[in-house]
Amino acid sequence: QKEVEQNSGPLSVPEGAIASLNCTYSDRGSQSFFWYRQYSGKSPELIMFIYSNGDKEDGRFTAQLNKASQYVSLLIRDSQPSDSATYLCAVYNNNDMRFGAGTRLTVKP
Amino acid sequence: KAGVTQTPRYLIKTRGQQVTLSCSPISGHRSVSWYQQTPGQGLQFLFEYFSETQRNKGNFPGRFSGRQFSNSRSEMNVSTLELGDSALYLCASSQEGPPYEQYFGPGTRLTVT
Repeated sequence: QKEVEQNSGPLSVPEGAIASLNCTYSDRGSQSFFWYRQYSGKSPELIMFIYSNGDKEDGRFTAQLNKASQYVSLLIRDSQPSDSATYLCAVYNNNDMRFGAGTRLTVKP
Repeated sequence: KAGVTQTPRYLIKTRGQQVTLSCSPISGHRSVSWYQQTPGQGLQFLFEYFSETQRNKGNFPGRFSGRQFSNSRSEMNVSTLELGDSALYLCASSQEGPPYEQYFGPGTRLTVT
């Protein structure tokens, strides 16, 4: 079974802090890795993707990938209350996209 | 470009009925995937279509079916509805080629009474 696992949270951080979200996956052949943000009652919104080992930065977001450890993370710098949402990790391999259950993040003013 | 559209947005059906949901992908996207999302089970993969062919299928009963048309628009059908089918049904489209990112539509909220 190809699994994608995330800590369900809730993860609570104060405004301005760094939020760190983690994801592990079981399929070593996975090619691409994605982070989606989902607000309550809305559909998932793609915020970042990464497919090479290392870090990828986009504004306040940094995705980190370590294929040897089968680990991908998302860092949110200067967290804002508007970042409060559920973050879904997704892993792609050979026409198969797998989603984690999501981590609920709350940013407190 | 316009995003992924789904119709209808909300639907109320009675047990035993059937329902058809529609999805129009982003222009140029040929792959369409369907997901069921419930609070208890999270995002569950139903099936994926590419060029009118089902390429991948999740672990759902045969009551759930889908198809894709030559213009890449897709429909999914659920027959003999059960109370447990109440969920948010999401459609996502993607281009072929890495990184294979998917873009979601707003979803159809199905309530079965």
